[in-house]
Amino acid sequence: AQKVTQAQTEISVVEKEDVTLDCVYETRDTTYYLFWYKQPPSGELVFLIRRNSFDEQNEISGRYSWNFQKSTSSFNFTITASQVVDSAVYFCALSGGYNNNDMRFGAGTRLTVKP
Amino acid sequence: DTAVSQTPKYLVTQMGNDKSIKCEQNLGHDTMYWYKQDSKKFLKIMFSYNNKELIINETVPNRFSPKSPDKAHLNLHINSLELGDSAVYFCASSRDLYSYEQYFGPGTRLTVT
Repeated sequence: AQKVTQAQTEISVVEKEDVTLDCVYETRDTTYYLFWYKQPPSGELVFLIRRNSFDEQNEISGRYSWNFQKSTSSFNFTITASQVVDSAVYFCALSGGYNNNDMRFGAGTRLTVKP
Repeated sequence: DTAVSQTPKYLVTQMGNDKSIKCEQNLGHDTMYWYKQDSKKFLKIMFSYNNKELIINETVPNRFSPKSPDKAHLNLHINSLELGDSAVYFCASSRDLYSYEQYFGPGTRLTVT
């Protein structure tokens, strides 16, 4: 069975603060993919990143960075110098297994960045 | 050009009615999906279609029926709507059954009164 846990339901920070969104996953598959999606107030789902289970290198994209650690089954997402436009719900998701398209989403973390 | 589009964006209807939500993708993908996002923002997969074949049906009531006239379209038909069907429904597509990356449509907010 696959499961994604985002323990932080809501996070509120002040602009320019750094913030980390946690994601812990469970899977029995050796090959799997992890994702982060952003859902701004307008409602659409915006793809941010995909990592495969064989690549534990951390990734940085501008103010965004991701820390993938198989030892702790975690795929955490950090926003550096947060901005008001970062306010959104962020979803972590896991895909893999026999039905490779069975994507499981976490419950989401609502991030509010205050000016 | 929008990669994955859904219509309508908003749908308000009464209990007991039958309604459809349309989804189209212009990415040339073989696999399409429907997800339901409830009021708590939790996203759950409902169906996926690969080359017009149903692959997953996650214990969704049979009032929900996906219909795919061709591989670029996967419409969602709902019979006898219930209050609990109120949610945001997302369509998505991926290159094929073995591609892990899914592209999402903008969502359809369904409200059943």
